[in-house]
Amino acid sequence: GAVVSQHPSRVICKSGTSVKIECRSLDFQATTMFWYRQFPKQSLMLMATSNEGSKATYEQGVEKDKFLINHASLTLSTLTVTSAHPEDSSFYICSAPDRDSNQPQHFGDGTRLSIL
Amino acid sequence: GNSVTQMEGPVTLSEEAFLTINCTYTATGYPSLFWYVQYPGEGLQLLLKATKADDKGSNKGFEATYRKETTSFHLEKGSVQVSDSAVYFCALLTSYDKVIFGPGTSLSVIP
Repeated sequence: GAVVSQHPSRVICKSGTSVKIECRSLDFQATTMFWYRQFPKQSLMLMATSNEGSKATYEQGVEKDKFLINHASLTLSTLTVTSAHPEDSSFYICSAPDRDSNQPQHFGDGTRLSIL
Repeated sequence: GNSVTQMEGPVTLSEEAFLTINCTYTATGYPSLFWYVQYPGEGLQLLLKATKADDKGSNKGFEATYRKETTSFHLEKGSVQVSDSAVYFCALLTSYDKVIFGPGTSLSVIP
């Protein structure tokens, strides 16, 4: 079964709305989680590293105030797209490393965000 | 820095044809290497991996060998099926647990 749960799987909302996406690690603790963004027919681009109990680390070119990340517990990270606009429409995927696993990271199933 | 380069797609093959998708990487040290597959409308699935030089990862008929001398990790399959149609991503794991993805290669297999 899934070891990283991402919710919601799909969001459609109006321009100007803020949207929160949750990423939960199941059965293991994740002090670090990663958020990726994928445009249609393109690769996954790392947006930021979410750190439990401290500030997220953002990749170059990613707006911190637009994409708020909170990692309040060892099993939950949230990404909030603030005042979303159509250009923020994308597929967002989270992941969490699990050193006890044979996979480098467990990926969520992704959230398809559509801003009208 | 760390980066992954893949052959440009899309790739279209007939069923039972031989598949090769080239992947090369640039990295500090010797990272673990991976191939992920993304089926239409779905998330990522780990297809195979190799953690050190000369390791061969294999799964579902797919294979890839970690070649340190050529910094490559090419994906191969001897006989593709329609169900293999997907986007394939080559990736490496950095020392900071970050996964760096290649641009992806779209594969379409026609009957």
